[in-house]
Amino acid sequence: GAGVSQTPSNKVTEKGKYVELRCDPISGHTALYWYRQSLGQGPEFLIYFQGTGAADDSGLPNDRFFAVRPEGSVSTLKIQRTERGDSAVYLCASSFSDTPNTEAFFGQGTRLTVV
Amino acid sequence: GDSVTQMEGPVTLSEEAFLTINCTYTATGYPSLFWYVQYPGEGLQLLLKATKADDKGSNKGFEATYRKETTSFHLEKGSVQVSDSAVYFCALSERTGTASKLTFGTGTRLQVTL
Repeated sequence: GAGVSQTPSNKVTEKGKYVELRCDPISGHTALYWYRQSLGQGPEFLIYFQGTGAADDSGLPNDRFFAVRPEGSVSTLKIQRTERGDSAVYLCASSFSDTPNTEAFFGQGTRLTVV
Repeated sequence: GDSVTQMEGPVTLSEEAFLTINCTYTATGYPSLFWYVQYPGEGLQLLLKATKADDKGSNKGFEATYRKETTSFHLEKGSVQVSDSAVYFCALSERTGTASKLTFGTGTRLQVTL
């Protein structure tokens, strides 16, 4: 399809395990964002890529969280030593540019549950 | 830092009723303002936007006006339908450094009944 694709749609993992969440943005979109949405809350910014580089990672909660975008397209969010508090829906968005009035297109998210 | 405050839900209305969802913001500069909608089982979608003071965004019968003097961007619709049932998020985007990231409110769930 032509939209932002996120896999898996659901992930259940045990506390302490490592997980990878994948985002495939819309073709040609250079800006890519990761957000985290906890139950009953709005999405919260995690990290932003312009091309291959992480231009702003100020929203990553701690050093257990890391993201890459090696070829400027697909991105992977990696979480080490998962904790129950990491349970949330992780959203990916992409846009044609990073100017403030440019529409961001969101994927349907990956629901992560840490048990 | 930037923040967005929107009215708590759920909001329950009968079909054809008038809708207002309040949204106010705090920002250091001149942000762009957005309303996103999340229908059941779907991802976030842009509903409308406004990029400067006094701009009115509109789409699908929904409207919101960028009010700089009251730092508000209230969402309105004259006659809601059952198909409008969804969660609505107010958001702002202010370019900081090299990033143009969105700051969201907590969302307002709208339930429209026949």
